Amino acid sequence: DAGITQSPRHKVTETGTPVTLRCHQTENHRYMYWYRQDPGHGLRLIHYSYGVKDTDKGEVSDGYSVSRSKTEDFLLTLESATSSQTSVYFCATHPTQETDTQYFGPGTRLTVL
Amino acid sequence: AQSVTQPDIHITVSEGASLELRCNYSYGATPYLFWYVQSPGQGLQLLLKYFSGDTLVQGIKGFEAEFKRSQSSFNLRKPSVHWSDAAEYFCAVGLGGATNKLIFGTGTLLAVQP
Repeated sequence: DAGITQSPRHKVTETGTPVTLRCHQTENHRYMYWYRQDPGHGLRLIHYSYGVKDTDKGEVSDGYSVSRSKTEDFLLTLESATSSQTSVYFCATHPTQETDTQYFGPGTRLTVL
Repeated sequence: AQSVTQPDIHITVSEGASLELRCNYSYGATPYLFWYVQSPGQGLQLLLKYFSGDTLVQGIKGFEAEFKRSQSSFNLRKPSVHWSDAAEYFCAVGLGGATNKLIFGTGTLLAVQP
């Protein structure tokens, strides 16, 4: 397994507060992704990165921003959390080639009250 | 648009019985296809993947999947299910190219009866 850690693992916050989730990898993988997982929806891509300081939007990017200043770290920020952003968030990494495997972190459970 | 359909939300099988989980995809080019498994409270683990070549792919934990282009399907099978196979299973199509993004199905939750 790729060395992917996510912090925090659990967080409860209130509507309107900013929240930052961190993904850290030790494998020097080029690509990194943030997904959210909700019942009945599977995993949906929020944002992804194809290199340091190179990021782009996924299918559910509204209300989220990301940053990647180092290869190993990919941050997901909710500028002003809403109850609809209560979810489980997964980070994933992908080495380089199309035929490589995408590896997943353990997830962060976020509750917005 | 690319999409993945897993028509079965929940499946219950008896331990020792065979299993088939269905996956259909919509993608214009030759797809990269994946099956992942998620145990409760855990991240996703790759079971197997298909890129090209032999359409029957072997994976970990005794799973296999068959790519059928004519049916746009990539069904997952196991001849004899163990209680430890109870989990949620996700099929995904990989877009490759410059992004390597994955499009996931909504998942199938497998319960195993003793």
